[in-house]
Amino acid sequence: QQQVKQSPQSLIVQKGGISIINCAYENTAFDYFPWYQQFPGKGPALLIAIRPDVSEKKEGRFTISFNKSAKQFSLHIMDSQPGDSATYFCAARKGDTDKLIFGTGTRLQVFP
Amino acid sequence: NAGVTQTPKFRILKIGQSMTLQCTQDMNHNYMYWYRQDPGMGLKLIYYSVGAGITDKGEVPNGYNVSRSTTEDFPLRLELAAPSQTSVYFCASRPLISTKQDTDTQYFGPGTRLTVL
Repeated sequence: QQQVKQSPQSLIVQKGGISIINCAYENTAFDYFPWYQQFPGKGPALLIAIRPDVSEKKEGRFTISFNKSAKQFSLHIMDSQPGDSATYFCAARKGDTDKLIFGTGTRLQVFP
Repeated sequence: NAGVTQTPKFRILKIGQSMTLQCTQDMNHNYMYWYRQDPGMGLKLIYYSVGAGITDKGEVPNGYNVSRSTTEDFPLRLELAAPSQTSVYFCASRPLISTKQDTDTQYFGPGTRLTVL
């Protein structure tokens, strides 16, 4: 119930393509869904986040799509660039806790 | 602001040794967290703190201890190091009150890579 399942484990995309990473959850009490980006040798950094009262949030080339009934959310990276090559983590938080539950991560490689 | 700083960056321990991983933040954040990151396993919460003097266990607390005597510092103590504690350790912090858009942003340090042999 506390898990967040993330797929795929790794993703290879050509420059200019669309990268899509999916996450699924079981606990309907989750109320905050962030995505973190991590470059090698660095700590994760917040990329974009969504709350379940909206179905989509867009910031530049990054979009979160949220499907409350299916208990799924996904990250779309439009016009993927080599600089987007990193590991991406989805996460979820239950409203009455101070803790995030992280997915297992997706390693994205964007080739020129 | 330096943000969240962690020391050391790397450390090799022998089985049974102990050490303290240091974490300091200069953003006056109330919440602080310790995670470990293992390949293919994401980030697992070890301990967290909602303010000075208050700590609580996360998902994987066994073999670790923490203390929070000041707002800035949140050290993680490993007693009797074991090979299973080989990992990359991240400290994070977040403010108590934020704008609606930024309510739950956790700010991560650069990590400490620990190897136990």
